Amino acid sequence: GAVVSQHPSRVICKSGTSVKIECRSLDFQATTMFWYRQFPKQSLMLMATSNEGSKATYEQGVEKDKFLINHASLTLSTLTVTSAHPEDSSFYICSTQRTPNTGELFFGEGSRLTVL
Amino acid sequence: AQKVTQAQTEISVVEKEDVTLDCVYETRDTTYYLFWYKQPPSGELVFLIRRNSFDEQNEISGRYSWNFQKSTSSFNFTITASQVVDSAVYFCALLSGGSEKLVFGKGTKLTVNP
Repeated sequence: GAVVSQHPSRVICKSGTSVKIECRSLDFQATTMFWYRQFPKQSLMLMATSNEGSKATYEQGVEKDKFLINHASLTLSTLTVTSAHPEDSSFYICSTQRTPNTGELFFGEGSRLTVL
Repeated sequence: AQKVTQAQTEISVVEKEDVTLDCVYETRDTTYYLFWYKQPPSGELVFLIRRNSFDEQNEISGRYSWNFQKSTSSFNFTITASQVVDSAVYFCALLSGGSEKLVFGKGTKLTVNP
């Protein structure tokens, strides 16, 4: 069964609204989760690293005020796209590792966001 | 810096043909992991293989095989007797050293025609 669960799988919203995407680790406690973004026909790019109990670390060029990340528990990280615009339409996917530096990675199912 | 290059953007083959997807990586670390993922149109990433830098043995899993060569920094993926269901985008990825950040190649879109 799934080790990482991501919800919702698809969301359509109007421009200016905020959208929350959840990523849950079902099988183990995840102190670190990763959020990736994939534009159509492009590769996956790391947006930010979510750390339980502390602030997320954002990659260069990713607006922290635009993409709010909360990792309040060891099994849940959320990504909120604030005041979404059509250019934010993308596929967002989270991942985590069971144990750091083992390469044992697990990905969520992904969330396809469409902003009208 | 870590980098993954998948030079083939798109490949189109006819069913039952063999096809090889190329992957070249760059890292200064001696400890790293290489991955291949399949991404069908639904978007979900399907894990295919993980290989650590200390294990250069080639691997075969059914119609899939992987050729890891540290001398050329390559980790190529071959599908034997391709099928229509193999049509997808395939990503090669690198997890290097102490970093927990996975670096993806740009992907190769494989189309297998009946």
